Amino acid sequence: SQTIHQWPATLVQPVGSPLSLECTVEGTSNPNLYWYRQAAGRGLQLLFYSVGIGQISSEVPQNLSASRPQDRQFILSSKKLLLSDSGFYLCAWGPGGPGNEQFFGPGTRLTVL
Amino acid sequence: AQSVTQLDSQVPVFEEAPVELRCNYSSSVSVYLFWYVQYPNQGLQLLLKYLSGSTLVKGINGFEAEFNKSQTSFHLRKPSVHISDTAEYFCAVSGANTGGFKTIFGAGTRLFVKA
Repeated sequence: SQTIHQWPATLVQPVGSPLSLECTVEGTSNPNLYWYRQAAGRGLQLLFYSVGIGQISSEVPQNLSASRPQDRQFILSSKKLLLSDSGFYLCAWGPGGPGNEQFFGPGTRLTVL
Repeated sequence: AQSVTQLDSQVPVFEEAPVELRCNYSSSVSVYLFWYVQYPNQGLQLLLKYLSGSTLVKGINGFEAEFNKSQTSFHLRKPSVHISDTAEYFCAVSGANTGGFKTIFGAGTRLFVKA
């Protein structure tokens, strides 16, 4: 069966520090991968998605970036965090195609102070 | 562009009462519709989905949803809720108007079940 991991589970970082969140998927190959952010009291905002290694599409221009160095690994990064980057970050994978659901990881709670 | 509107941000309800969480979508082409549930500090998990066929879709935990094409709605219902149903619920849509690989999520409805 497929499993999706995210780490760390929680993170507290000062403003201006770098960020690296990691997501890995097991039990499937060539998945579509997604990064979402969920701010307090708000819905899910799609940040990035990837349909293959090295292929990244950005949905919202901001100081975050994403990379997919391996088929089942998706990394969210920032060089300098802002207060507004605080939130709950969710990674998801999907088999592709508009009728298929997405499977979500447990999330990372990021607090920028 | 495709959009999803969840009409209620919060729904308080007493235990064992029925509940309906409302969702409307905007599209003039075929869509696929989903409801996800998120328990506190966890990721989302699928409750149910509509792809085609019968407009009444049954999901996990006793939830069901009805697809209404004329009203572009996909409301979620449960005839009798439990305390454990307290969570946030997201309606979502994918299809030709969402860019193929993407799913558009609503803002969420927080369900509070009171004893």
